[in-house]
Amino acid sequence: AQSVTQPDIHITVSEGASLELRCNYSYGATPYLFWYVQSPGQGLQLLLKYFSGDTLVQGIKGFEAEFKRSQSSFNLRKPSVHWSDAAEYFCAVVIDNYGQNFVFGPGTRLSVLP
Amino acid sequence: DTGVSQNPRHKITKRGQNVTFRCDPISEHNRLYWYRQTLGQGPEFLTYFQNEAQLEKSRLLSDRFSAERPKGSFSTLEIQRTEQGDSAMYLCASSPPGQGPLDSPLHFGNGTRLTVT
Repeated sequence: AQSVTQPDIHITVSEGASLELRCNYSYGATPYLFWYVQSPGQGLQLLLKYFSGDTLVQGIKGFEAEFKRSQSSFNLRKPSVHWSDAAEYFCAVVIDNYGQNFVFGPGTRLSVLP
Repeated sequence: DTGVSQNPRHKITKRGQNVTFRCDPISEHNRLYWYRQTLGQGPEFLTYFQNEAQLEKSRLLSDRFSAERPKGSFSTLEIQRTEQGDSAMYLCASSPPGQGPLDSPLHFGNGTRLTVT
């Protein structure tokens, strides 16, 4: 079945530590890939997006993500986490060329220790 | 860019009542989406408009749910005879015209949180 998985429900890191959030997808072809962040009580904000080209893509707020076709993964990383990064992170895919069919993963909640 | 606006932010209603939510997308965005998000889950697609035309509806959208976008600008989502299982965050998103998904990422509003008692 086609799906987007985020294996980690909740991750806790210390401020200043590095971060990696995992995302795997299960589709026949390489989809369009996105990461969104949601702060409590807020809507989702786009962090970065990817379809082709350089497999390491830079986003806002110091985040980056790496696409690995062999692993069907699109993991989100940040070298040094700030307390304000505490939020829910969602990986999403679009499998149609018209961009209307966004499918979201279940999310990973990030907590940051001072 | 004033962002996607949703009203109300919170709605508490009794089971069996009807509720209506409003979404005002970013002005130049011709695509509008409704999603539902329950606690601990990612957003689930409900329906999609391109201009005033409703082009796709999820099987999650039961007969009690109806969405409109009469003039291709704001949209409303109505839930009739609400049930406790309808309690969720209802998110609206819009996107601009473009050549594909990378040109047209979703811009989300802050959502309407519905509680059915």
